[in-house]
Amino acid sequence: DVKVTQSSRYLVKRTGEKVFLECVQDMDHENMFWYRQDPGLGLRLIYFSYDVKMKEKGDIPEGYSVSREKKERFSLILESASTNQTSMYLCASSLRTSGSYEQYFGPGTRLTVT
Amino acid sequence: AQSVTQLDSQVPVFEEAPVELRCNYSSSVSVYLFWYVQYPNQGLQLLLKYLSGSTLVESINGFEAEFNKSQTSFHLRKPSVHISDTAEYFCAVTLYSSASKIIFGSGTRLSIRP
Repeated sequence: DVKVTQSSRYLVKRTGEKVFLECVQDMDHENMFWYRQDPGLGLRLIYFSYDVKMKEKGDIPEGYSVSREKKERFSLILESASTNQTSMYLCASSLRTSGSYEQYFGPGTRLTVT
Repeated sequence: AQSVTQLDSQVPVFEEAPVELRCNYSSSVSVYLFWYVQYPNQGLQLLLKYLSGSTLVESINGFEAEFNKSQTSFHLRKPSVHISDTAEYFCAVTLYSSASKIIFGSGTRLSIRP
């Protein structure tokens, strides 16, 4: 079974802090994604990566950056956390050429910025 | 650009009653379609998908969805729901040409009353 793990289930940070959210997948997937999930808005793509050291902006990249130094790990960075970044953050991965296009999700990190 | 609309944010039903969760999409090109489910305090998981072939697709737990190209819809149905179906359901679409990137709807929260 594909497993996507996220470093924390719950996180509380103060405004202005630098925040790292870590995601690791164990199935050698090329693609990795970071979403944020807010009530009534569904999932919105922040950043995605097709390969090591490759990254592309999603729909809402402002205030975020990412790092992918190893194939299995994709980090989301909030350089200076703000209260409007309080949200549920979901990481996902998928095979680039599987033909199934299924994304596998981690359990999520609920981030609260005070 | 493609988009996904889930017309109902919440659907309450009684146990053993039928249910339909509605999903419409807009796209000028051919798409793949998905339904994902998110059980309480978990990440998303794929419920079913339409890639090609038969327009009626089924999941292992009794849900089905029908791709209707003329109405640009992909509604999800189940003839008799169970308490364990309580979850949030997301419709999603991706383009043939960019199948790694998925656009999600805003979600429908299905609540089952005993």
